Amino acid sequence: DQQVKQNSPSLSVQEGRISILNCDYTNSMFDYFLWYKKYPAEGPTFLISISSIKDKNEDGRFTVFLNKSAKHLSLHIVPSQPGDSAVYFCAARGGDMRFGAGTRLTVKP
Amino acid sequence: KAGVTQTPRYLIKTRGQQVTLSCSPISGHRSVSWYQQTPGQGLQFLFEYFSETQRNKGNFPGRFSGRQFSNSRSEMNVSTLELGDSALYLCASSLRLAGYNEQFFGPGTRLTVL
Repeated sequence: DQQVKQNSPSLSVQEGRISILNCDYTNSMFDYFLWYKKYPAEGPTFLISISSIKDKNEDGRFTVFLNKSAKHLSLHIVPSQPGDSAVYFCAARGGDMRFGAGTRLTVKP
Repeated sequence: KAGVTQTPRYLIKTRGQQVTLSCSPISGHRSVSWYQQTPGQGLQFLFEYFSETQRNKGNFPGRFSGRQFSNSRSEMNVSTLELGDSALYLCASSLRLAGYNEQFFGPGTRLTVL
């Protein structure tokens, strides 16, 4: 069963605009959430995380928002850059790690 | 500090064969987790090893097995290969159990089953 879901397989935005990637989860026992970024022919790399006791975490152009009541988190990238084009995975921790299916972000110059 | 390495990077096998994939974690990391990545399914958790013991297991058939050695290096074995086993297999290491520590991923092994 997919406990972590990314319902949008792809997203395309213009350079300089905001990218919003969404993730839903079903297991209320998850206590830590992460976003990973993956380029072709490379393994995923850690991008940003958030603890379940917070509702927002910001790191430069990247901000993650957590809505526990809705079991929903989102990653905002502002401003988006062509180098941000990659597949983004949402992950949740609660003893082990569960990943979503990924969203392919394309940032057009 | 060297990253996570996986060998081989590419592998082609036929149905019914078996395969062994290898993963060397970052020096000092004691946990190794394995994931299968297929289009549309994302990363699916296979299992995690810590101090040579399997600590967590995903929902995969018994054809998928693994082990970890005293130097923390890990191997994953898939027996009686099926076409649906074609995927990118990723290994990730962390200092301690992955559920509570940041994971670092290797580049993966691309397995094609013909």
